[in-house]
Amino acid sequence: GAGVSQSPRYKVAKRGQDVALRCDPISGHVSLFWYQQALGQGPEFLTYFQNEAQLDKSGLPSDRFFAERPEGSVSTLKIQRTQQEDSAVYLCASRGLAASPDTQYFGPGTRLTVL
Amino acid sequence: AQSVTQLDSHVSVSEGTPVLLRCNYSSSYSPSLFWYVQHPNKGLQLLLKYTSAATLVKGINGFEAEFKKSETSFHLTKPSAHMSDAAEYFCVVSDRKGGGNKLTFGTGTQLKVEL
Repeated sequence: GAGVSQSPRYKVAKRGQDVALRCDPISGHVSLFWYQQALGQGPEFLTYFQNEAQLDKSGLPSDRFFAERPEGSVSTLKIQRTQQEDSAVYLCASRGLAASPDTQYFGPGTRLTVL
Repeated sequence: AQSVTQLDSHVSVSEGTPVLLRCNYSSSYSPSLFWYVQHPNKGLQLLLKYTSAATLVKGINGFEAEFKKSETSFHLTKPSAHMSDAAEYFCVVSDRKGGGNKLTFGTGTQLKVEL
């Protein structure tokens, strides 16, 4: 079946612009996660949703980062007033009730470059 | 708190020889441990996972890993490397007491396979 999809795959923004990154999880998956992967590093946790509820946002680096999942399916990660240090690959993952509680399935990521 | 340390940032092997990628973990509670692989411009793919069942875990593509609590290690091995194994490998820990909602990644090991 279809996996996790993310759009756009690549985004170039000028410093100060707002961006919105979209994640379509695997159909029926109730849990959704966002991670940030800087160049040469492992992914780092940003935030977690169960259905439409954002249960953990401890990894969001600043109040410029905002995530939502209003209908418990598609999620959007928004970054306001982008800065160069926001340049990274943003990964989305989903997890379903039928799978092991711990298995997260990852999308291909959105590569954000802030000039 | 949880963390993982991947002891080698780069590993180079010849095709047909064994692969060993080393990982040590730290976790306050009983951990779940994973190895993910990331090929260039591809999403993260789960290789294998340990969730308190058998300590020797077999994964896809001939990889396996052994959970050693006394050594806090979860090294990844493969008897015979193939050219297609060249990729970045991440050791990952999650805290099952916390519901396994936050994956903590190591910094990755780049595996190079030479003819």
